[in-house]
Amino acid sequence: SQQGEEDPQALSIQEGENATMNCSYKTSINNLQWYRQNSGRGLVHLILIRSNEREKHSGRLRVTLDTSKKSSSLLITASRAADTASYFCATDIQGAQKLVFGQGTRLTINP
Amino acid sequence: GAVVSQHPSWVICKSGTSVKIECRSLDFQATTMFWYRQFPKQSLMLMATSNEGSKATYEQGVEKDKFLINHASLTLSTLTVTSAHPEDSSFYICSASRLAGGYEQYFGPGTRLTVT
Repeated sequence: SQQGEEDPQALSIQEGENATMNCSYKTSINNLQWYRQNSGRGLVHLILIRSNEREKHSGRLRVTLDTSKKSSSLLITASRAADTASYFCATDIQGAQKLVFGQGTRLTINP
Repeated sequence: GAVVSQHPSWVICKSGTSVKIECRSLDFQATTMFWYRQFPKQSLMLMATSNEGSKATYEQGVEKDKFLINHASLTLSTLTVTSAHPEDSSFYICSASRLAGGYEQYFGPGTRLTVT
């Protein structure tokens, strides 16, 4: 079964606002990754945060990781219409060379 | 670098036939390739992990005789859906990990399979 749970399942905001998505997982991880997927397309890797890191930035993206709570958040600041997509977290589980994906958040940015 | 391609990008086949999907790492050698399936508006589900030159490891619930995986070289893995049925219609995505690298996976663009 999938390990990651994301909330919200869907998020609709106005352009320029910030979007926050959350991801929770169940077991120990090596790292956690966030991906974006436009409708009907492949995955785009956004950012990777290692288990010993607490926060990471990349452009308008900010990711936090709390291993004590087994949770992560992705913040997209100053959203744009082009940010409309589905966002998935994926955990790289310790002892298993595979990624387990969360259920995803469908983000819609309204112009 | 780290580009992964898939072919075909979409395919329509008749029920009962078999279809092969290729996954290639174009500019790096991949020790491991992964195959995922994604139904509409759902997340990616790992089907199997394949290492070059050895048998694939299938996830629980995935029929290995139906989804044949071959990883014959460090740059190519194939997924064959045998005796396809309409319920096999899905988006199939592969990914690859670098030789001697970390666990980062590079994803292909996906293949849309429609079984009529």
